[in-house]
Amino acid sequence: EVQLVESGGGLVQPGGSLRLSCAASGFTFSSYWMSWVRQAPGKGLEWVANIKQDGSEKYYVDSVKGRFTISRDNAKNSLYLQMNSLRAEDTAVYYCARGRWFGLWGQGTLVTVSS
Amino acid sequence: QSALTQPASVSGSPGQSITISCTGTSSDVGSYNLVSWYQQHPGKAPKLMIYEVSKRPSGVSNRFSGSKSGNTASLTISGLQAEDEADYYCCSYAGSVVFGGGTKLTVL
Repeated sequence: EVQLVESGGGLVQPGGSLRLSCAASGFTFSSYWMSWVRQAPGKGLEWVANIKQDGSEKYYVDSVKGRFTISRDNAKNSLYLQMNSLRAEDTAVYYCARGRWFGLWGQGTLVTVSS
Repeated sequence: QSALTQPASVSGSPGQSITISCTGTSSDVGSYNLVSWYQQHPGKAPKLMIYEVSKRPSGVSNRFSGSKSGNTASLTISGLQAEDEADYYCCSYAGSVVFGGGTKLTVL
């Protein structure tokens, strides 16, 4: 089955760190750009970061630059998001999405930043 | 990069057609044919409905169509059905990626 499954979300204090993972299956993971997109409670979608097939190019939304790092392991068919210096405004459901057109999404993992 | 501008809500009756607009700038929507649209039902992940302004992925109903004029892209849904009631987001891929604020479609 073609799918993306996120994990690693949870409750973290402001200033803390969290690492999200996205496991891909059913397709050739190494052939696609991959992205993280988040959605704050009751709000719209916000693109967070993306990474080229071989990991050689990475791009971030301004609000997470210097705090978040996107990476991938094509041998493990996995995408990651290392989130440091977390803030309350980072609270959201985080989705991983496949391709330039986000043609496949995971079910999302909730990150809550609160003391 | 600023979010694309969408109406907060639109509505229509079953069988009717509606259009959702998505306004950007000459730096994003206006410069590239790289606009996509997503449908999101409550509590669910988004679903790709249109890409490259007007192309439909396999499996998406031909009741959904996209277009662009200048800095504004549009999503049209014809023959409205109850299951079309959802939130819709446009997205522009121009260097970085930016979404619209979302439009809630209500089927009356």
